[in-house]
Amino acid sequence: SQTIHQWPATLVQPVGSPLSLECTVEGTSNPNLYWYRQAAGRGLQLLFYSVGIGQISSEVPQNLSASRPQDRQFILSSKKLLLSDSGFYLCAWSIPWTGAMNTEAFFGQGTRLTVV
Amino acid sequence: QQQVKQSPQSLIVQKGGISIINCAYENTAFDYFPWYQQFPGKGPALLIAIRPDVSEKKEGRFTISFNKSAKQFSLHIMDSQPGDSATYFCAVAGSGNTGKLIFGQGTTLQVKP
Repeated sequence: SQTIHQWPATLVQPVGSPLSLECTVEGTSNPNLYWYRQAAGRGLQLLFYSVGIGQISSEVPQNLSASRPQDRQFILSSKKLLLSDSGFYLCAWSIPWTGAMNTEAFFGQGTRLTVV
Repeated sequence: QQQVKQSPQSLIVQKGGISIINCAYENTAFDYFPWYQQFPGKGPALLIAIRPDVSEKKEGRFTISFNKSAKQFSLHIMDSQPGDSATYFCAVAGSGNTGKLIFGQGTTLQVKP
């Protein structure tokens, strides 16, 4: 069965410090990978997605970047955190598109980031 | 630009009642309409989803009603239970190889015993 791991669960970082959040998926190959951010009481905003190794698409301009160094590894980074980067970050995966319609996205447990 | 509008923002229902959450979308190219359930501190999980070729889908106490011409779809929770208390998100996705989901703003449901 497929599983998704995301860590750490919580993180408190000072303004200006770097960030690295990691997400790995097991039990599947060549998944589509996503990073979402959820602000308090708000919906989920897609930040980045990737359809393959080294292929990263950004949905919104921001202080963050993403990388996919391995097939099932997705990393969210920042060189210098801002207060506005605080939020609940969620990694997700879905099966590769086969030409049929879209299918389910599976989410990790999330990382609660507080920038102080 | 808000591509998916979800209402209400919050909902309080008595145990055994019907919970109804609505979503409206703009782009007719969307062809996948899921609902996700999220408990506090957890990631969302798929609850039920519908394709545009059907007008209704039912799974247990959960039903999606889909109105293609109005570009609206809704989630109905029958016989609502306290365990259903959670945040519910509608989402839309278009065909293509990205699988990107665009989410509504979420509805916090509280079911009172």
